[in-house]
Amino acid sequence: GESVGLHLPTLSVQEGDNSIINCAYSNSASDYFIWYKQESGKGPQFIIDIRSNMDKRQGQRVTVLLNKTVKHLSLQIAATQPGDSAVYFCAENSGGSNYKLTFGKGTLLTVNP
Amino acid sequence: DVKVTQSSRYLVKRTGEKVFLECVQDMDHENMFWYRQDPGLGLRLIYFSYDVKMKEKGDIPEGYSVSREKKERFSLILESASTNQTSMYLCASTFVGGGANVLTFGAGSRLTVL
Repeated sequence: GESVGLHLPTLSVQEGDNSIINCAYSNSASDYFIWYKQESGKGPQFIIDIRSNMDKRQGQRVTVLLNKTVKHLSLQIAATQPGDSAVYFCAENSGGSNYKLTFGKGTLLTVNP
Repeated sequence: DVKVTQSSRYLVKRTGEKVFLECVQDMDHENMFWYRQDPGLGLRLIYFSYDVKMKEKGDIPEGYSVSREKKERFSLILESASTNQTSMYLCASTFVGGGANVLTFGAGSRLTVL
């Protein structure tokens, strides 16, 4: 999972396995959370979001879980594919402007064929 | 699809040089942003603009300035580049009323300051 420091956390999985990427957020007042995916040589792309009044949200092959008690967010990717290999960032919006996000450090997901 | 284009993918500059990073979006978005991305530090907001000629400081504005003379173009300026500004710079845009989930990012400009 993501953590403070200069080294990017990494997760290596086999193709077809489920992946879980974790994120600890910092502000208990945050009311909106987003996961972004960044492939090599590209900018981040939106994957899924969740508001603080929910604890789970599902998309296509992805699920985001929110545990406000421990300020923890996770992204689950089902049946991970080689195309899922990327850096994944969580971001939190602690209120006010919808655009001033605090991003996590990122987790590098590598999918082995 | 919204397109955010950063004109320079790779730049190498010398300490003390003035550097311009250009960003253009083609979907008439009001809001534009400059982020800096460093390994292990994630994305950090430098400046953002919510209208032509309007700007607000982000979390790390020191050493940077911005210019928004036209709605589609947002420039990041390093008045006197320093080695600690070696980084990946990401531009993003979104429309008013769009949430943070609709930030569209450019591909990035990797700047090396020698």
